[in-house]
Amino acid sequence: GQNIDQPTEMTATEGAIVQINCTYQTSGFNGLFWYQQHAGEAPTFLSYNVLDGLEEKGRFSSFLSRSKGYSYLLLKELQMKDSASYLCANMDSNYQLIWGAGTKLIIKP
Amino acid sequence: IAGITQAPTSQILAAGRRMTLRCTQDMRHNAMYWYRQDLGLGLRLIHYSNTAGTTGKGEVPDGYSVSRANTDDFPLTLASAVPSQTSVYFCASSEGQAPGELFFGEGSRLTVL
Repeated sequence: GQNIDQPTEMTATEGAIVQINCTYQTSGFNGLFWYQQHAGEAPTFLSYNVLDGLEEKGRFSSFLSRSKGYSYLLLKELQMKDSASYLCANMDSNYQLIWGAGTKLIIKP
Repeated sequence: IAGITQAPTSQILAAGRRMTLRCTQDMRHNAMYWYRQDLGLGLRLIHYSNTAGTTGKGEVPDGYSVSRANTDDFPLTLASAVPSQTSVYFCASSEGQAPGELFFGEGSRLTVL
């Protein structure tokens, strides 16, 4: 079957670094996405990885290991506005997105 | 402002009633999608359309229908609503037929009593 696993909730301190992990087991692989969703709002695109390695985009970086079925989202210099849910999604062999349930990140001062 | 517009934002509906959620985009994107989001679950695809005139079934299509008469509009219809269809519904679009970056509408919160 197809499965995306990510922690339900994480807590971090303002100014710190946090890593949100995502493991996937899907039929085929055509890329791994990360989206941010603030409470009551729509998801917004953060990153896309299709090759192994680290993609850096400002304070946010995303890592992929296809052989391990593993990705992580790294958030640096955390700000209160980073409090949100972070959604991991894998694009399978049919080019359909399979979504994780999301990780709720709570930032404390 | 360019993007996706959904309506209504929120609706309470009696079971058995028919309901259409509207979705309009002005980005001239080829592909459009309807997802539902439920607490503790990932977004689940209901129906999709790769281009105007075509539609396809997603993971959870039962009880829902869609049409794509033109590029901009992709309405979702619940023919006879049931309480299990209580959810937040998101419409999304992407430029290509393979879902690259998705652009989401603000969501429609539907409660079926």
